[in-house]
Amino acid sequence: NAGVTQTPKFQVLKTGQSMTLQCAQDMNHNSMYWYRQDPGMGLRLIYYSASEGTTDKGEVPNGYNVSRLNKREFSLRLESAAPSQTSVYFCASSDGDTVYSYEQYFGPGTRLTVT
Amino acid sequence: LAKTTQPISMDSYEGQEVNITCSHNNIATNDYITWYQQFPSQGPRFIIQGYKTKVTNEVASLFIPADRKSSTLSLPRVSLSDTAVYYCLVGVWEYGNKLVFGAGTILRVKS
Repeated sequence: NAGVTQTPKFQVLKTGQSMTLQCAQDMNHNSMYWYRQDPGMGLRLIYYSASEGTTDKGEVPNGYNVSRLNKREFSLRLESAAPSQTSVYFCASSDGDTVYSYEQYFGPGTRLTVT
Repeated sequence: LAKTTQPISMDSYEGQEVNITCSHNNIATNDYITWYQQFPSQGPRFIIQGYKTKVTNEVASLFIPADRKSSTLSLPRVSLSDTAVYYCLVGVWEYGNKLVFGAGTILRVKS
């Protein structure tokens, strides 16, 4: 049982390049999330998916797109990377069906640098 | 979503009990209080959740007074490995459950 996995662990992009961050969970959770964390700050929600086939914007969605490929996988795409998107990106999942969905399970993160 | 206020940082020594208080004056009737822990270079980890009074699990206790305008996370007999950032979150459960994280409290445990 691997929990939540993310690839890649590290990535350096040049301004204007695109890339997709991958996330997968093996806990059969309905809900999945993408957060970003900047130095000295808490996490900010980018997008979330309450169930397979649905996605919704979070607090900071501009410059990102997401795809809920199936129940297990939720990807985050940067179409044209900007230095302001330099951050650590965390994927998370939760049951989503009960009050215990407050318990989110986080992946190890992807450290992205845009130069 | 209720706004929360926590101390920016706290220092403690090994073996002491640590209490971190979170203020949430505009908590709503249906809001739950949840605490997460984050170690450097890792994603946050759920610690404990409660609605009122006291909740205890194997790692922490959560004290919530009757008015629910604040809550206190209590870590018994901390060790060096408890050095981390602790986040207090307040919100109502909804399908998909968007969590809003603040800056958190940096706890430094010294030997």
